[in-house]
Parts: sequence; C-alpha cells; structure tokens
Amino acid sequence: DIQMTQSPSSLSASVGDRVTITCRASQTIRTYLNWYQQKPGKAPNLLIHAASCLQSGVPSRFSGSGSGTDFTLTINSLQREDFATYYCQQSHSTPLTFGQGTRLEIK
Amino acid sequence: EVQLVESGGGLVQPGGSLRLSCAASGFTLNAYWMHWVRQAPGKGLEWVSRMKSDGSITNYADSVKGRFTISRDNAKNTLHLQMNSLRAEDTALYYCARDPWEYSGSTQFDYWGQGTLVTVSS
Repeated sequence: DIQMTQSPSSLSASVGDRVTITCRASQTIRTYLNWYQQKPGKAPNLLIHAASCLQSGVPSRFSGSGSGTDFTLTINSLQREDFATYYCQQSHSTPLTFGQGTRLEIK
Repeated sequence: EVQLVESGGGLVQPGGSLRLSCAASGFTLNAYWMHWVRQAPGKGLEWVSRMKSDGSITNYADSVKGRFTISRDNAKNTLHLQMNSLRAEDTALYYCARDPWEYSGSTQFDYWGQGTLVTVSS
C-alpha cells in the first residue's frame, strides 16, 4: 500500500498569511494526487486534482504542485473560511489512501 | 444539481449486518465510478470500496474485503454497501462519493454525500 504522510499535522496562522502543507508518498505516484478541505461536521471538498489542477469553483488562492513523491498545497492570503483540516489523497493505485490530515487553526 | 444522500446507518451489535444506500440525483450513477469512504469519530479519511461505471470492476480495502459488498441499482440510481460481520473498528461516518474518472482521466472525489453514521457496539 502507498503511505501518504502530511506535514505538519497542525498549523497556526493568521488571516492574510501564506501557508504551505506538504504531502509525501511512500513511492512514486506521478501526479495522481488530490487535495481536500474538510470543515467540522461537513463532508470533504475537492480543492486540487492531478496535483495542480484547481477544481471548478475553488478560489485561486489555493494552488498545488509536485510530482513523484513530494507535493505541496499552498494557500495564499488566508481567509477566515480557510481554517479547516486538509487531506491529501493518492489515486495512483488501490487501496486509495489519504494523508493523516493537517489541521489549520487561527493564531 | 448533483446530490448524494446516504441512509441506512445505525447502531448494530458486533457480528451484525447493515446495508447502506446512497441515492444519487442530478446525474446518472452508471456513468461514473462510485466510492465509499469512511471516517471514524475524530479520525481521518479511509477509502473503503469502489465500483466502476459499468459495474465490471469492484475493489475493497483489505480491512473490509470479504465482509463488505458494493453494488448498484441502476433503476433507482442508488449505490449500496452491504456490510456483514461488523466489528467495533467499523464504527464511522460512511460517505459515498462520485468519481469523474471517465471524464477527467484520474480518480478524484468531486461530490460527496453528507454521510451516514454506523456504530458497532454491544
């Protein structure tokens, strides 16, 4: 199975900050990497697919990059509604696996 | 408007069974891969199972293989997850999710339901 490791596990930031979350795969997954945002009590929401493709309707302050084993999610100019938990997920092979999540909190 | 609505969760004793349903609207279920993903209370996301658009391929996580079965009722545009031999560790919120692989070329979960809670306890 492909293990996905996110860092950090939690992060405190302020409105207007730029934050970066990283995700590392235990083996190469090319660009088969998705990012989701989950708010408390809600289902996850797709932000980025294929490592760097912004999902329709997602604000342009979100961006993704990387290939192979190392990926990043960047949020520019944090907004209050961005404080949530973020998950990466590999779609290279089954079993599909998620990172453990990164909780983004308000400083 | 695309909607996914799960139902069928509840409290069940260890060793028992439940059948979850996911009613789809706004799109045709058999044009998309469909998945079940679960989230234990306070924990992260775990992929459970998937079915190809034409029903020819199904896959399962090792943790549920041989106990869970994914299926689809095309006439009712509804996805199911039959869960047998349930264990305490199956306690979770179960989501169904749509995967536009046929149109995007890569697996992703672009629409999710609100989830249905399964609690396995004596």
